[in-house]
Amino acid sequence: KAGVTQTPRYLIKTRGQQVTLSCSPISGHRSVSWYQQTPGQGLQFLFEYFSETQRNKGNFPGRFSGRQFSNSRSEMNVSTLELGDSALYLCASSLTSGTGEQYFGPGTRLTVT
Amino acid sequence: GNSVTQMEGPVTLSEEAFLTINCTYTATGYPSLFWYVQYPGEGLQLLLKATKADDKGSNKGFEATYRKETTSFHLEKGSVQVSDSAVYFCALTRRSGNTGKLIFGQGTTLQVKP
Repeated sequence: KAGVTQTPRYLIKTRGQQVTLSCSPISGHRSVSWYQQTPGQGLQFLFEYFSETQRNKGNFPGRFSGRQFSNSRSEMNVSTLELGDSALYLCASSLTSGTGEQYFGPGTRLTVT
Repeated sequence: GNSVTQMEGPVTLSEEAFLTINCTYTATGYPSLFWYVQYPGEGLQLLLKATKADDKGSNKGFEATYRKETTSFHLEKGSVQVSDSAVYFCALTRRSGNTGKLIFGQGTTLQVKP
């Protein structure tokens, strides 16, 4: 079974731009969560989607948004990029919502210059 | 609020040494507890889990026991290998609210030398 895939793997953007990251969960998994990983703040939860509905949201500004499609694929969008948004963005999938047993993708490394 | 605290790293050990990485948590109710591992350049992998007090999670020679009385979930391995070099994260999810939100500790880097 293929694992969680994330595209692109690396991205360089300029302050003020916007970016869209994509995540394809493991086949059959209906829940997708997103996390931001930085050296200073560690791993922080962004949001969780299940059956195209946002189930939970972390403490991030409204510039961070996401969605989930009917095939469970998910995208997250960051508008008006700031230097502090430079991070590794990790997507994780699970069979159902509400479980900490999650399968992570390799991440998208976003650099904002 | 809910939080996880791990011992500071890096931890440097010789091959075949005994490993302990301390983890304590603060949570309302009875959370589920997890250890995840991140190898260089990769995403996180679930290493083991425990969902109730006194449960012992184990995998690949690693073990951790859910201790409610000390709010701890320390990771142990009897004999580490060079291939165990990675960053280890302790994490929890709240049982109530049906949330999959993982709350992570800051991570502990383990380096094993031959």
